[in-house]
Amino acid sequence: GENVEQHPSTLSVQEGDSAVIKCTYSDSASNYFPWYKQELGKGPQLIIDIRSNVGEKKDQRIAVTLNKTAKHFSLHITETQPEDSAVYFCAASTRGSQGNLIFGKGTKLSVKP
Amino acid sequence: DAGVTQSPTHLIKTRGQQVTLRCSPKSGHDTVSWYQQALGQGPQFIFQYYEEEERQRGNFPDRFSGHQFPNYSSELNVNALLLGDSALYLCASSLVSDGYTFGSGTRLTVV
Repeated sequence: GENVEQHPSTLSVQEGDSAVIKCTYSDSASNYFPWYKQELGKGPQLIIDIRSNVGEKKDQRIAVTLNKTAKHFSLHITETQPEDSAVYFCAASTRGSQGNLIFGKGTKLSVKP
Repeated sequence: DAGVTQSPTHLIKTRGQQVTLRCSPKSGHDTVSWYQQALGQGPQFIFQYYEEEERQRGNFPDRFSGHQFPNYSSELNVNALLLGDSALYLCASSLVSDGYTFGSGTRLTVV
């Protein structure tokens, strides 16, 4: 079945720096790749997603890139702020946005003021 | 507009007992999925309900069962609880044009 690996497990950056989190997936049939932010005591919140027919998507300070050939996708956060500190999860689905999501193990991002 | 509502927020049960968790989806959403999130891990898919039927199921034993009601709300039932069932249980609702919206979860502790 599908397997999603996420790196790094922890990431510490200075405020204003960029942060990059990378994920690889195993099932070439995967066609939907969301990213979630989870703060302490809360459920995951969708921050950006990308579908397999798109190579890059950007929303203000957040961008996601997808390389289908290499089966990896990345989250880029620019101009990081302390409120970006949280655990970030990547996920993949073979059935679009309605399919079951296979999650990575998460990246704990700390942004130091 | 209320998001996904889950109850209770916390629960402590004894091994061997049964538990029922509840979820009200985001307004307008017709599909409900349940995930289990162990401490320090990503969520794992349990099952998904649409039109009151189980549409997809993950790799969880039959002790895990669910139900969806005509108003789209849903329940997750777990029988014969094991210590390893201790986790955060997340409900997520969706509509065909949207991605998932997750609730804040129910923290289940089995002692």
